[in-house]
Amino acid sequence: DAGVIQSPRHEVTEMGQEVTLRCKPISGHDYLFWYRQTMMRGLELLIYFNNNVPIDDSGMPEDRFSAKMPNASFSTLKIQPSEPRDSAVYFCASSAGGDTQYFGPGTRLTVL
Amino acid sequence: DQQVKQNSPSLSVQEGRISILNCDYTNSMFDYFLWYKKYPAEGPTFLISISSIKDKNEDGRFTVFLNKSAKHLSLHIVPSQPGDSAVYFCAASGNAGNMLTFGGGTRLMVKP
Repeated sequence: DAGVIQSPRHEVTEMGQEVTLRCKPISGHDYLFWYRQTMMRGLELLIYFNNNVPIDDSGMPEDRFSAKMPNASFSTLKIQPSEPRDSAVYFCASSAGGDTQYFGPGTRLTVL
Repeated sequence: DQQVKQNSPSLSVQEGRISILNCDYTNSMFDYFLWYKKYPAEGPTFLISISSIKDKNEDGRFTVFLNKSAKHLSLHIVPSQPGDSAVYFCAASGNAGNMLTFGGGTRLMVKP
């Protein structure tokens, strides 16, 4: 049974470019979460969806960040324009309505 | 303001001995607690959880203890194995539904 799938695994881009991170949650899970991990701030929740609807985006750093979930099997996190301070590992996680979240392998983003 | 804290950034233990990882929280609304394990270049994986109605939960070599009055939980690994070497995150959720708040992590090194 496939877990949470994220792509790409690594992304290197230049400042000012648009970056799109992708996530496929575990089939049947109705919650999807986007996290960012940095040395300074640890693992922080950016936004989460329930049944494809954004529920809480208070963790999104600023307007340069946006997330969508057009259907139950796909979500994107977009950064436009990207800045060097956005460099981090971005994780997607999903859950079946309980508290246990299952994480993807992450996307390591480097903005030069 | 960190609501979940892991005060030990690292811990070194001899193989076969007990590993004890600690976690403190400040928000009395938290009612469900989880431990995740993370290997390099992978996403966090769920290890064990405990509800606030219990004070202990055991799963094989892993036991989580919860002291609500002290707002403290701990993860015991007995016996420790070299494969347990990883970063361990404590997480908590409360009335906000599925949102998890993570601690900063503790790096466990089990020496053969």
